[in-house]
Amino acid sequence: DQQVKQNSPSLSVQEGRISILNCDYTNSMFDYFLWYKKYPAEGPTFLISISSIKDKNEDGRFTVFLNKSAKHLSLHIVPSQPGDSAVYFCAAPSGTYKYIFGTGTRLKVLA
Amino acid sequence: DTAVSQTPKYLVTQMGNDKSIKCEQNLGHDTMYWYKQDSKKFLKIMFSYNNKELIINETVPNRFSPKSPDKAHLNLHINSLELGDSAVYFCASSQGLGANYGYTFGSGTRLTVV
Repeated sequence: DQQVKQNSPSLSVQEGRISILNCDYTNSMFDYFLWYKKYPAEGPTFLISISSIKDKNEDGRFTVFLNKSAKHLSLHIVPSQPGDSAVYFCAAPSGTYKYIFGTGTRLKVLA
Repeated sequence: DTAVSQTPKYLVTQMGNDKSIKCEQNLGHDTMYWYKQDSKKFLKIMFSYNNKELIINETVPNRFSPKSPDKAHLNLHINSLELGDSAVYFCASSQGLGANYGYTFGSGTRLTVV
């Protein structure tokens, strides 16, 4: 069962425009969500998180929005830069000791 | 100075062989993990150790055996390799035991079984 879903495997955006990456989840008990970024041949690195008691968290060009009623979160990158080209994973804690990851969205920012 | 290092980065081997992947972290973290990313890009946990004690053991074949000689190391040994074991294996560590601690991942080991 896929409790965290990223339905768009890829996304292309022009440099300077907004990138919006989406993530849906099924378990309303998730109390914390994270976004990880992964470059080729590297491990995922933590990007930004949001607690379920918030609906928005911002860090520089990156903003994560949480819509609990829709069980949906999104990552906005504005303005997008070529260096943002990577695979982005959303993740949620499952139980006490581990995360469940989505399958990732490959973002390509075109110069 | 790599925080979480895995070796080897690439591993190509024949079916039936036994192989090991090593992982070391220099962050002083108490908890280490092995994740597997399969061909469908799912990133799934396999094992977790906290201070050398096995905490998580997901539904993984017995051919996979983790070993933690100390809290800075978590190695993965795989016996009788099968084609379906081909995947990218990521080691990770975290400061504490609990999902609210962020992970630091290694760069992955791409295992190809032929």
